[in-house]
Amino acid sequence: QSVLTQPPSVSGAPGQRVTISCTGSSSNIGAAYDVHWYQQVPGTAPKLLIYGNNNRPSGVPDRFSGSRSGASASLAVTGLQPEDEADYYCQSYDSSLSGRGVFGGGTKLTVL
Amino acid sequence: QVQLVQSGAEVKKPGASVKVSCKASGYTFTGYHIHWVRQAPGQGLEWMGWINPKSGGTKYVKPSQGRVTMTRDTSISTAYMELSRLRSDDTAVYYCARARGSGSPEEYYFDYWGQGTLLTVSS
Repeated sequence: QSVLTQPPSVSGAPGQRVTISCTGSSSNIGAAYDVHWYQQVPGTAPKLLIYGNNNRPSGVPDRFSGSRSGASASLAVTGLQPEDEADYYCQSYDSSLSGRGVFGGGTKLTVL
Repeated sequence: QVQLVQSGAEVKKPGASVKVSCKASGYTFTGYHIHWVRQAPGQGLEWMGWINPKSGGTKYVKPSQGRVTMTRDTSISTAYMELSRLRSDDTAVYYCARARGSGSPEEYYFDYWGQGTLLTVSS
């Protein structure tokens, strides 16, 4: 099981808003370490979506936004589009085991 | 433009070793850490460790320590990840990624990724 917990799946109709949660603990997100998000279309490499909790790289639509509160983080997608259907992963740092990068288990977003 | 181009798919027997390469272009190779991440079939992403191309310094995730070695050749802007004593559960796609951020390298995010290298371990 992953150190960061994500729901296995979420879904929404085109145009709707969905959120994906990423729940950690006091050794990672709860210790105020940054959270980053990636989008992965099956068969391709992950793509950076959000870095430093709520920053978008150039080229990422502003329909994607991130937030962090306490030991959890969230990715929100507004105005869902068919091309948003993909797997989404959160990433942070965990101070246990001498420090390591950790990922969530991933969430499959389905656009209905 | 920044590119990370990895070596091709590999098929290995249990107990063998594999060395995956990651050739960087479009930026100063020694200016950014390279991290390695793997993804088993149908599974999520697993962080493996990093190498600092400038110093050659490395850090590996504890379960892989002793089996993984990350190196680089700055003359050809290429990073390598070698995994030894292969097991069937090492079957995965292996990605290299350029890392950026602040704090310790394990906190960095990955702004560019290689295309992935499929490693199949089977007798």
